[in-house]
Amino acid sequence: AQTVTQSQPEMSVQEAETVTLSCTYDTSESDYYLFWYKQPPSRQMILVIRQEAYKQQNATENRFSVNFQKAAKSFSLKISDSQLGDAAMYFCAYSGSNFGNEKLTFGTGTRLTIIP
Amino acid sequence: EAQVTQNPRYLITVTGKKLTVTCSQNMNHEYMSWYRQDPGLGLRQIYYSMNVEVTDKGDVPEGYKVSRKEKRNFPLILESPSPNQTSLYFCASSLRPRGLYEQYFGPGTRLTVT
Repeated sequence: AQTVTQSQPEMSVQEAETVTLSCTYDTSESDYYLFWYKQPPSRQMILVIRQEAYKQQNATENRFSVNFQKAAKSFSLKISDSQLGDAAMYFCAYSGSNFGNEKLTFGTGTRLTIIP
Repeated sequence: EAQVTQNPRYLITVTGKKLTVTCSQNMNHEYMSWYRQDPGLGLRQIYYSMNVEVTDKGDVPEGYKVSRKEKRNFPLILESPSPNQTSLYFCASSLRPRGLYEQYFGPGTRLTVT
C-alpha cells in the first residue's frame, strides 16, 4: 500500500519570505500523481498544485512550485513571497494509476503559520 | 456553479441513532468518495463509487454504509454511530477515478457522537 509522510507538523514563515514543506511517499508504481492541498480555517480542501510522475518538469502555479525527486520519492512544496492568506493546513497526497489505487492517500498535514 | 454539496454541515447526535449525511454533485462526475479527517491522521477514504450502483470499501469502512442509486448523489449512512466516529467528513467527486482528473471536495460535515 502506498504511504505519504509529512514530517513537519508545524512550520512558520515571515510574511514575504519563502518556505518549503516536505513530503515523501512510498510506492511500487511507476506512474502516479502527486498533489498538494490547502485547508484554510474554513475547512475547504483546495487543490494547490499537481504533479504527474511521468513528467520530469516540476509543476508551478504562480507563487507555488514543487521539487519532485522521483528516485528519492520526495515531493516538496515551495511557497514564495508568503502572504497572510497562505496560512493553512497543507496536505500532500498521492493517487495511483493502477485499478484500485485511484484514491487519494493523504499525509498527516503541515500547519503553516505566517508571521506578519 | 460547479460544486459538491453536503448536508448537514454540523451534526451532534447520540450513540446508536441512525443518521445520513447527504452528498450531491452537479458536474456529472462518475467517481465519488467519502473521507474522514482526524487530527494527526490526515484524510482517510471510507468508501468510493466508480459509477451508479458500483461502490467499494476504502481504508476505514467499518461502521459506514453508502449507496449510489443516482449519479449525482452519494449518501453516507451511519446505522449505529459510536463516539469513535466523531470526525470531520468530506465528500469528493471527479470526472473519472484517475488522478489525472481533479477531485472536487464538499465543504465538510462536522459530526459529534456523544
